[in-house]
Amino acid sequence: ETGVTQTPRHLVMGMTNKKSLKCEQHLGHNAMYWYKQSAKKPLELMFVYSLEERVENNSVPSRFSPECPNSSHLFLHLHTLQPEDSALYLCASSQLLGTDTQYFGPGTRLTVL
Amino acid sequence: GIQVEQSPPDLILQEGANSTLRCNFSDSVNNLQWFHQNPWGQLINLFYIPSGTKQNGRLSATTVATERYSLLYISSSQTTDSGVYFCAVPPTGTYKYIFGTGTRLKVLA
Repeated sequence: ETGVTQTPRHLVMGMTNKKSLKCEQHLGHNAMYWYKQSAKKPLELMFVYSLEERVENNSVPSRFSPECPNSSHLFLHLHTLQPEDSALYLCASSQLLGTDTQYFGPGTRLTVL
Repeated sequence: GIQVEQSPPDLILQEGANSTLRCNFSDSVNNLQWFHQNPWGQLINLFYIPSGTKQNGRLSATTVATERYSLLYISSSQTTDSGVYFCAVPPTGTYKYIFGTGTRLKVLA
């Protein structure tokens, strides 16, 4: 595997479910990011990790819980979501925090019923 | 906060045509990136271009940071160029990339 991978690619969940999104980067990067892309809205930065430490929580509701167990893996734990949380969730990584090229995964398309 | 505007919002081209996409930003920035999102949602980095001009095949980009804009040129467009083009900038002193609303390009065969 090369680049940035995300699983699952598609997810349908009810509002009472708990699920997790997984991101893995094979690039040896030090920073990882979660973005949300809703229909007809710009990409929104959700969380940023640098060297496994969370450095940014961009006013994201607590029903989204990130986890970065090591520099190659990033998770987004989901619980009691709302239908308006349906979106494409994108993971990205970069060698350095911020001032560097970001590489994106293919995304997880989430539908909340 | 910083505003990032892209124009045009939509663009339809015949294969082989050239085009220019524009990104304006309202505040000073340290760098700028251009991305292409294909119809399946995958975002591909095209250019990391805080200033000056870069070229990569049929694509080139120019950023004039002092005047707060960047241009993406696509020459001899192909159907595989279809998708949405985003620019993204982090305000000076931050690492939080702010994305524009995108230009949706469709290239017809």
